[in-house]
Parts: sequence; C-alpha cells; structure tokens
Amino acid sequence: SQKIEQNSEALNIQEGKTATLTCNYTNYSPAYLQWYRQDPGRGPVFLLLIRENEKEKRKERLKVTFDTTLKQSLFHITASQPADSATYLCALPHTDKLIFGTGTRLQVFP
Amino acid sequence: DTGVSQDPRHKITKRGQNVTFRCDPISEHNRLYWYRQTLGQGPEFLTYFQNEAQLEKSRLLSDRFSAERPKGSFSTLEIQRTEQGDSAMYLCASSRSRVEETQYFGPGTRLLVL
Repeated sequence: SQKIEQNSEALNIQEGKTATLTCNYTNYSPAYLQWYRQDPGRGPVFLLLIRENEKEKRKERLKVTFDTTLKQSLFHITASQPADSATYLCALPHTDKLIFGTGTRLQVFP
Repeated sequence: DTGVSQDPRHKITKRGQNVTFRCDPISEHNRLYWYRQTLGQGPEFLTYFQNEAQLEKSRLLSDRFSAERPKGSFSTLEIQRTEQGDSAMYLCASSRSRVEETQYFGPGTRLLVL
C-alpha cells in the first residue's frame, strides 16, 4: 500500500541555521508533490509544489528537491527564524485527492 | 476576507448526538474537500465534491457520516450517533478544478465527543 513517511520527531534548530525536513514515499509514482505549513489549531497553508521533472524549486528562503529515484523530497528553510516554527506536511496526489504525511514539527529557537 | 470559512470552530457533544458542520469555500472554487485530523497525524481524506457532485468517499467515512453540497457552494458534514473516536479536527479545503491546484484550507472545526 502507499505510504508517506515524515520524521515524526520534532526538529529543533537554532535561529539562522538551515532546517532540512524529509518526505519519503513508497508505492507511489506521483507527478508532483506539495508542501504545506500548519500552525497549531489552524488549517494547513500551501507553500510549494514541485513536479517530477523538476529537481529543485525555490521560493524566498524555501527550497524543495524531488528525487523520483530515491522516492524522496527534501524541504529546506535557510536562515531560519523563530517564526518558522510550525509543522510541515508533504502531500502527494492519489487518484483525485491529496494524501498527506504525518508532518514534522520544526522548532526554531533564538 | 474571501478565504475558506468553517462553522462552528469548536463543538462539544455527548456520545450518541448528531452534529453538523458547515464549510463555505472560496467562491470561484469548484472543488471542495473534507479531511479529518487527529493529534500528531496529517489530514486524512474523507470526501470531495466537484460542484454539487460527491465524487469520492473514503472508507473512513462510515454510514454515520454524510456530506452534501446542494448548490455547489457551501457544504455540510453531518455525523450521526457520534462516538468518542469521532473526536478530531474536521478540515475543509477548496480548490479550482483539478487536484493539482493548490488547496486552500479553512480553520477547521474541533469536535470533542464526551
């Protein structure tokens, strides 16, 4: 069965460092992958979409890579700030809907 | 504000009661999705509509759950004979025509079944 894995342990990093979050999937061949941010008690907010023919995509301090051979996406936040603290979810399309990973909680401390 | 809205934001009910949640999507969006999220998990797909047609339902959606989108605008999700296991955050999202399009989520309705 299809499976999406994100590190369930929280990632704690110091302000100014680069945060790297991982999304691994099995039994999928997605045409694209999306990343969302979710703050406590709120709905997810879309951040980036990367297609299977794109190796890398950037948006301001965010960078996403997509390796269809490794079946993995990496999500990077450079020059991290305490305001980046949130849960980050990856999502893959399956038939006509999105399947979400469990999310990784990022904590950026001063 | 023209984002997705959900009502109520919080609901506490006793086991066995029926509850109904409402979602108002972004006005020009054809697709509307319902998800359920429990603590420490990502959103789990429940069902989605393309305009007023309900096109897919998850196996998670037991016969106690029903959703409607009568005029292709707002949607309701009803849970009959609630159980403690129904306690969760219920999220609504909307998008344009294709699943590839960005989904815009509402703030969610947090349900607690006592």
